Amino acid sequence: DAGITQSPRHKVTETGTPVTLRCHQTENHRYMYWYRQDPGHGLRLIHYSYGVKDTDKGEVSDGYSVSRSKTEDFLLTLESATSSQTSVYFCAITASGSYEQYFGPGTRLTVT
Amino acid sequence: GNSVTQMEGPVTLSEEAFLTINCTYTATGYPSLFWYVQYPGEGLQLLLKATKADDKGSNKGFEATYRKETTSFHLEKGSVQVSDSAVYFCALSGGRSGGGADGLTFGKGTHLIIQP
Repeated sequence: DAGITQSPRHKVTETGTPVTLRCHQTENHRYMYWYRQDPGHGLRLIHYSYGVKDTDKGEVSDGYSVSRSKTEDFLLTLESATSSQTSVYFCAITASGSYEQYFGPGTRLTVT
Repeated sequence: GNSVTQMEGPVTLSEEAFLTINCTYTATGYPSLFWYVQYPGEGLQLLLKATKADDKGSNKGFEATYRKETTSFHLEKGSVQVSDSAVYFCALSGGRSGGGADGLTFGKGTHLIIQP
């Protein structure tokens, strides 16, 4: 257990509304990630962070922004949600000194 | 760029059958390789890993060997159980920079169904 929680776990929102998903970790890991999981695509990296206020884009970053103002929290924001952003979102951390990642329980987001 | 290719399934087997899920990759540098498992309604769990060529990762009866010459990391288990039913993902480290800190590249996942 890497001490990762995500909130909310489920959310339904309407097209055009802003949405923020939160990832919280308790073990002071430096690297944090946001992925989305869609049928037929596996997991795809949205954004990642390598420290407080240090973030970078992943493979599918359009329409998403992130913030990390403290080590334990990594926020993913959809500024104006679209139906194509209906997905399951996973947060992950990288354990220090390795490349393996540990995942949170996921947030199922539905945009209607 | 980096990529991972795996059979998507569903793969349906009877209990106690031998399992192979193929995984091949394309990568720059020397990536680490992983298998993750996802049970219904849950997040991904690390199943096993290998960090260099010829390494064998193993866990819970599953094994996979890092084959650099064939760029493969096939998952095997000698005798599957109903409880092994899940989606299995092959992944590699080493993003655009070649390092692992900028995220994993995943295959699309293989849905495994084990029938009693």
